[in-house]
Amino acid sequence: DSGVTQTPKHLITATGQRVTLRCSPRSGDLSVYWYQQSLDQGLQFLIQYYNGEERAKGNILERFSAQQFPDLHSELNLSSLELGDSALYFCASSGVLTVPNTGELFFGEGSRLTVL
Amino acid sequence: ELKVEQNPLFLSMQEGKNYTIYCNYSTTSDRLYWYRQDPGKSLESLFVLLSNGAVKQEGRLMASLDTKARLSTLHITAAVHDLSATYFCAVGPSGAGSYQLTFGKGTKLSVIP
Repeated sequence: DSGVTQTPKHLITATGQRVTLRCSPRSGDLSVYWYQQSLDQGLQFLIQYYNGEERAKGNILERFSAQQFPDLHSELNLSSLELGDSALYFCASSGVLTVPNTGELFFGEGSRLTVL
Repeated sequence: ELKVEQNPLFLSMQEGKNYTIYCNYSTTSDRLYWYRQDPGKSLESLFVLLSNGAVKQEGRLMASLDTKARLSTLHITAAVHDLSATYFCAVGPSGAGSYQLTFGKGTKLSVIP
């Protein structure tokens, strides 16, 4: 158990809909990362938040957005869903409080999204 | 743009044999990570390599990093069925700041009795 919690584990929805995925980082971790894993694209970095602020952006579509709240949990919002958005979405956190900071990411169990 | 290439992408090997997975990356970095993923599961951290010449071993797995060649290897010794999984290498950007990792496509390892 990495200590990173993601909900829901599975989600089935229809095209055009909107969903929200939730992530709680490991206790004490300030950084949260979102990744998308699909068969054709592999593991793609979407976005990173650090202590409530956006820190880095990857291949995130405009239909997707994220935020990190004061209690450090994060949400990834996916809207106007398309069939191609079906994937496993991972949240990870990093131990910025550890010395030295190795940059190692700890991953949650993922949220499997199926768009029909 | 940082690119990470793994090979092979698929590896079928017999129990008891040795093999090496290679990970090449395109830009300077001194942070290289290996992860394991079982089907439909999360990514489990295996090794963190943070300097040129770093070598780490855990059980039948040994990872090394050559930053000059931009190459990391994951060596499997006397494979057993429990090692069947997909192995990813991931590279982080040099310097302080964001630690987002760029992943290779993964090597799917099947160990056959």
